[in-house]
This record gives sequence, structure tokens and C-alpha cells, in this order.
Amino acid sequence: NAGVTQTPKFRILKIGQSMTLQCTQDMNHNYMYWYRQDPGMGLKLIYYSVGAGITDKGEVPNGYNVSRSTTEDFPLRLELAAPSQTSVYFCASRRESGYTFGSGTRLTVV
Amino acid sequence: AQSVSQHNHHVILSEAASLELGCNYSYGGTVNLFWYVQYPGQHLQLLLKYFSGDPLVKGIKGFEAEFIKSKFSFNLRKPSVQWSDTAEYFCAVRSGSGNTGKLIFGQGTTLQVKP
Repeated sequence: NAGVTQTPKFRILKIGQSMTLQCTQDMNHNYMYWYRQDPGMGLKLIYYSVGAGITDKGEVPNGYNVSRSTTEDFPLRLELAAPSQTSVYFCASRRESGYTFGSGTRLTVV
Repeated sequence: AQSVSQHNHHVILSEAASLELGCNYSYGGTVNLFWYVQYPGQHLQLLLKYFSGDPLVKGIKGFEAEFIKSKFSFNLRKPSVQWSDTAEYFCAVRSGSGNTGKLIFGQGTTLQVKP
């Protein structure tokens, strides 16, 4: 049972490039979330999904897009990377009261 | 909108000292409350959570937290910290209404324990 798997673990992007952060869970959880973590700011919710085919914006959605074509996968897309998107990104899933977090993706935009 | 405030941004303690980290939230309805810990280079791990019942919650590694509804607080405590408790601690709140399960996090408190 792998839990929540995020890839890649590290990435450096140039301004204007695009990329997709992958998130997969094998626990059949309906709810999935993307957070970004910045020093002194805690974790901010970017997007979330309550099930396949359903997504919604969180606190800081600008510059990101998501999709949820399957229960297992919840990729986060950055279309035009900006330095302000330098952060650590965490994916999480939930069933009932328990949350499981991935190990994170550290993204640097230069 | 809901918000979570952690008063201590950086705490430095010696081993065996007692710890209390403050957490206040701004939501008047039913809430679920969480404390997470993040060790250096690792992902978040659940320390403890409160849903209902006894407002004094015991978690892993000797941590506990007390929910005081009248003060909108959920402070984390540990009687005697160890060097291995050096980490970042996050308080989080989830609204009890609705089923989106969004967690709102505080800013985090960095705890440094000196051996």
C-alpha cells in the first residue's frame, strides 16, 4: 500500500515553462487536495476534488489547473511558471476523518 | 472566512522543558481540529485530532491538546520535550459542516530543542 505518491520530488523550471505535478493514491479515497507550503505561511489550499470529475478552487488557485479523470489521480498543472510559484507542493487524500499526505514536490522557478 | 492563527512562530527550548504552542481559529460552527508535525525534509504527520467528546486529546509521542470552545483555542502541549521533537508544527481546522473536508492551516511553529 503506497498511500499518496507524488512525482517528481524536485524540479527546476524556467519562467514561462509549464509542467504537471503528479499525484496518485491507491486507497480509493474520494477527496483529494493540493497544497503549497511557503515559509511562515503554513499550507495554502490550491485546488481540491471531492470525486472523479469534480474539482474546485481553494484559497490560491491562480496560475494552476487540475483535473480528476480517475479516483486515483489528481495532477496539478502549471501553465506559465512564475517565480512566485516557487514552493513545496503537497498532495493529500482523505476518507472519513483521516488525511494522508504525499512526500511533496519542491519546485523552483528561475 | 475561516482562519487559523498560531502565535508562536519560532520556539527554542532545552531538553526536558515543557512545551505549549498556541492555536486559535475563527469559526463559530462545529469544527474538527488537528495538529500535524513535519520533521525536516519529511511530509506532514498527524499528531492528534479532536472531533467531539473529551476536550483533552492525547496524541502520539506524548503530545496532548486541549480544546477550549469559549476561547476558540486548541493549544498543543508536551510536559518534557526531547531533541527529536525538533520540527515544524501546524494547527489545522476543518469545518464540521459540508463534506469538502478542506483543511485550513495555521502559519506553523518551528520548534528547536537544544540537547
